[in-house]
Amino acid sequence: NAGVTQTPKFRILKIGQSMTLQCTQDMNHNYMYWYRQDPGMGLKLIYYSVGAGITDKGEVPNGYNVSRSTTEDFPLRLELAAPSQTSVYFCASSPLAALNSPLHFGNGTRLTVT
Amino acid sequence: SQELEQSPQSLIVQEGKNLTINCTSSKTLYGLYWYKQKYGEGLIFLMMLQKGGEEKSHEKITAKLDEKKQQSSLHITASQPSHAGIYLCGADIRDYKLSFGAGTTVTVRA
Repeated sequence: NAGVTQTPKFRILKIGQSMTLQCTQDMNHNYMYWYRQDPGMGLKLIYYSVGAGITDKGEVPNGYNVSRSTTEDFPLRLELAAPSQTSVYFCASSPLAALNSPLHFGNGTRLTVT
Repeated sequence: SQELEQSPQSLIVQEGKNLTINCTSSKTLYGLYWYKQKYGEGLIFLMMLQKGGEEKSHEKITAKLDEKKQQSSLHITASQPSHAGIYLCGADIRDYKLSFGAGTTVTVRA
């Protein structure tokens, strides 16, 4: 049972480059989330989705875009990478809204922008 | 500013000793989660508390929710090396989206 799978695990980008962080889940969960984790700051919600075709902004959406064309996949796009986007990114999913069921997390993508 | 404050930020405990981590919310708590994270890995769900006064235990870990104080505590009894990691609390204080505390790093010394 794979759960939530994120790729790549590590990536180094140059300023201005773009990339897509992949996230897929095999649990048929409707809710999916992208968080970033910075030292001493906890996790900040970037974007979330309540189902295929529906996405919405979280606390820190600037510089990112998402799409949800299928239930399984929720990619995160960085268009013009900036040093401030150096972080660890976590994708998560849940069958119900966050209040009613725990989130299942992937192992993260560690991104460095130089 | 953080809406979920965790204390302490980090702690070192001798193996076999007890420890307590606190999570305090600046807003009303409708439920709270505790997660554990090991370096380089994702978050593992520990416990979910949904009602004021609720207390749950799993193996040597006990979590309590005090709704009036807008606070939760996580207590580990007789700590072991396997308890080392980062503990994060998460709560629904932003319209059904989980917000997280900054985490508490636990080190267990043999």
